Amino acid sequence: EAGVTQSPTHLIKTRGQQATLRCSPISGHTSVYWYQQALGLGLQFLLWYDEGEERNRGNFPPRFSGRQFPNYSSELNVNALELEDSALYLCASSLDRVYTGELFFGEGSRLTVL
Amino acid sequence: GDSVTQMEGPVTLSEEAFLTINCTYTATGYPSLFWYVQYPGEGLQLLLKATKADDKGSNKGFEATYRKETTSFHLEKGSVQVSDSAVYFCAPRGRTGNQFYFGTGTSLTVIP
Repeated sequence: EAGVTQSPTHLIKTRGQQATLRCSPISGHTSVYWYQQALGLGLQFLLWYDEGEERNRGNFPPRFSGRQFPNYSSELNVNALELEDSALYLCASSLDRVYTGELFFGEGSRLTVL
Repeated sequence: GDSVTQMEGPVTLSEEAFLTINCTYTATGYPSLFWYVQYPGEGLQLLLKATKADDKGSNKGFEATYRKETTSFHLEKGSVQVSDSAVYFCAPRGRTGNQFYFGTGTSLTVIP
């Protein structure tokens, strides 16, 4: 069974540009989570999608947005890129909303903003 | 709000040494508790979990016990190996909001 897949693996942009990152969850998983892993800051929660709806978002500005498609894949958009947006962006999927369930992570998309 | 505090790293140990990585949390109600591990160049993967008080999660020689009275979930291993070198994340999952709260991660290096 395929795991969570993310693309692209690496992305280089310049300040002010837009970045789009994509995620395909494990087959059958309806929830998708996005996290930012910046150097030395651990994982910061960005967004949670479930059944096509945004259910929760972390403490990030509105230029971080995304969506979930009918096939449960998801994309994260970052507009007006700033240098501090350089980070590893991790996508995770979950089978259900039960609080005992685990997250399954992809290997991440590394965004570099120059 | 819910949060987690994890032992600062980096931690360097000799092979076969005893490992403890401390994790304490604050949460509304009683969350599930998880430890994730990130090996070099790989994504995060679940190491172990515990879903109620006094539960012990274990995997690959690692153990952690859900301590409700001290709101802690410390990770332990009796004898570490070079292959255990990785970053370890403590992550409570709250019963409301469906959100995982990740610690800042503890980098472990095991030297032969």
